[in-house]
Amino acid sequence: DAGVIQSPRHEVTEMGQEVTLRCKPISGHDYLFWYRQTMMRGLELLIYFNNNVPIDDSGMPEDRFSAKMPNASFSTLKIQPSEPRDSAVYFCASSLTASKETQYFGPGTRLLVL
Amino acid sequence: GNSVTQMEGPVTLSEEAFLTINCTYTATGYPSLFWYVQYPGEGLQLLLKATKADDKGSNKGFEATYRKETTSFHLEKGSVQVSDSAVYFCALSPSLSGGYNKLIFGAGTRLAVHP
Repeated sequence: DAGVIQSPRHEVTEMGQEVTLRCKPISGHDYLFWYRQTMMRGLELLIYFNNNVPIDDSGMPEDRFSAKMPNASFSTLKIQPSEPRDSAVYFCASSLTASKETQYFGPGTRLLVL
Repeated sequence: GNSVTQMEGPVTLSEEAFLTINCTYTATGYPSLFWYVQYPGEGLQLLLKATKADDKGSNKGFEATYRKETTSFHLEKGSVQVSDSAVYFCALSPSLSGGYNKLIFGAGTRLAVHP
């Protein structure tokens, strides 16, 4: 298996622009997670899905952030409008129901908002 | 609430030195415990885990024992290599998470191993 795939790997944009991050989980995994990593706040869980349904979005920082999972093989995290404080590395992770506690992480998207 | 506390880094060692990275946790019930590793420019990878008290997780020469009496899960390796240089994250999955495997991470400890 190719593992969790994220795109783009790097994104540089200007404040106010819309940013869309993409994730393809490992085939057959029922859970999908979006994390944000910064030096100041460490690794934060933003939202997670089970069988394409958002379960807990309490970590989403504000209304500028939204996430969707239209099918089992694709998810997006959108920031509109983006701000410099959104600069971070965003990780997607997925896991099986059967071994529900091991999460497999993608390589991350490094976002820089100027 | 549930939380994980790791020793602050960076930890700098010479090759073949003994490694300990301390991790303590606060949780209700019986959580599962994990160590993840993040190599430069990559995502996190599961290194080892333990799901009940006194269990020992091990992988690639690393070990950690689930100590409920001291609420600890310290990571150890007898002889580190330059290739072990990475950031190590301790994490827990609460036992009462309703079937959802929500992970709570520590802040991470950076390890630098020199030849």
